[in-house]
Amino acid sequence: RKEVEQDPGPFNVPEGATVAFNCTYSNSASQSFFWYRQDCRKEPKLLMSVYSSGNEDGRFTAQLNRASQYISLLIRDSKLSDSATYLCAVNRGKLIFGQGTELSVKP
Amino acid sequence: GAVVSQHPSWVICKSGTSVKIECRSLDFQATTMFWYRQFPKQSLMLMATSNEGSKATYEQGVEKDKFLINHASLTLSTLTVTSAHPEDSSFYICSARPGGADYNEQFFGPGTRLTVL
Repeated sequence: RKEVEQDPGPFNVPEGATVAFNCTYSNSASQSFFWYRQDCRKEPKLLMSVYSSGNEDGRFTAQLNRASQYISLLIRDSKLSDSATYLCAVNRGKLIFGQGTELSVKP
Repeated sequence: GAVVSQHPSWVICKSGTSVKIECRSLDFQATTMFWYRQFPKQSLMLMATSNEGSKATYEQGVEKDKFLINHASLTLSTLTVTSAHPEDSSFYICSARPGGADYNEQFFGPGTRLTVL
């Protein structure tokens, strides 16, 4: 079993849709949590950190549930430019990434 | 913001040759650098962690004699893929962490795409 697992995707949604990504992690020693965005053939870029209290940045909301070892990312009012692969990552002294979920937003 | 460069951005080589990839932090000193490998449609897999002036720490299953890492200065780490084979073809990405920063401040290079013929 992988240490960090994500929905396999791909997710194909129309513009304006709300889409949710889920990620589970198996190591309870994980200290901090992140969502990254990766465009095709590019490096990952930090989208947002994830806190237990939940945090929001514009159309993006991230949530952490330590008890269930689960993090989520919600994108509201999706745009064409949101099309990318979304990677969750956990830090337990080093960053461990999930396999990523591909999102395709269609007109 | 902090910038990390990688060179070359892509390389094609023949089987059996060695390839060196450089990772530089351009506007900060990186006490720690990380090397990742990503195969198509797969996640970034951490290969090794390098700290300036000391030996790299390799992840389980990564051959240290095949993937040589040198972190000789606070702004430069190199990864050498020795005797490359077609199965080593992948996207290699480095990241750099400034001294004293938490993991929110890990900056990624643009990656190097290696194709071994």
